[in-house]
Amino acid sequence: DSGVTQTPKHLITATGQRVTLRCSPRSGDLSVYWYQQSLDQGLQFLIQYYNGEERAKGNILERFSAQQFPDLHSELNLSSLELGDSALYFCASSVGPSSDVSTDTQYFGPGTRLTVL
Amino acid sequence: EDKVVQSPLSLVVHEGDTVTLNCSYEVTNFRSLLWYKQEKKAPTFLFMLTSSGIEKKSGRLSSILDKKELFSILNITATQTGDSAVYLCGRSARQLTFGSGTQLTVLP
Repeated sequence: DSGVTQTPKHLITATGQRVTLRCSPRSGDLSVYWYQQSLDQGLQFLIQYYNGEERAKGNILERFSAQQFPDLHSELNLSSLELGDSALYFCASSVGPSSDVSTDTQYFGPGTRLTVL
Repeated sequence: EDKVVQSPLSLVVHEGDTVTLNCSYEVTNFRSLLWYKQEKKAPTFLFMLTSSGIEKKSGRLSSILDKKELFSILNITATQTGDSAVYLCGRSARQLTFGSGTQLTVLP
């Protein structure tokens, strides 16, 4: 158990709908990262938040957005869902970023499996 | 786009064999190289490498980084069926970029 929690575990919804995925980082971690993992794309970085502020953006679609709240939990909002959005969505957390590279280690939550029908 | 390339894509061995997994990366803004094991659930952290030539070891697993040639290897000796998983290599720069993974299957 990494200490990172994600809810829900599974989510089945229809095209065009909107869903919210939730993540709580490990105690003491200030950074939260969101990843999408699909069979044909591998593990793709979406976005990072650090202490409530957006820190880095990866291959995140405009239909997707995220935020990190004062208690450091984060939510990933996916809207106008398409069939191709079906994937595993992972949240990870780390202490950093900082000049100390040991803070690069990210610990992953169990993931949310999203199925869009 | 920063690339991380892992090889082989898939590997099938018998218990007791030794395997070597490869990871090559691009150097831009390199901070560290991380290895993860993923068994149908969340990736779990194995190693972080930052310096060339220094082997990290944990039981039957070991890993080393070559910053001159821009690659890392993950060795697993005396493989067991429980080692069956996807092994992911990630390069940390401004963000963590993962390779596509190596699917290792260890047969009894």
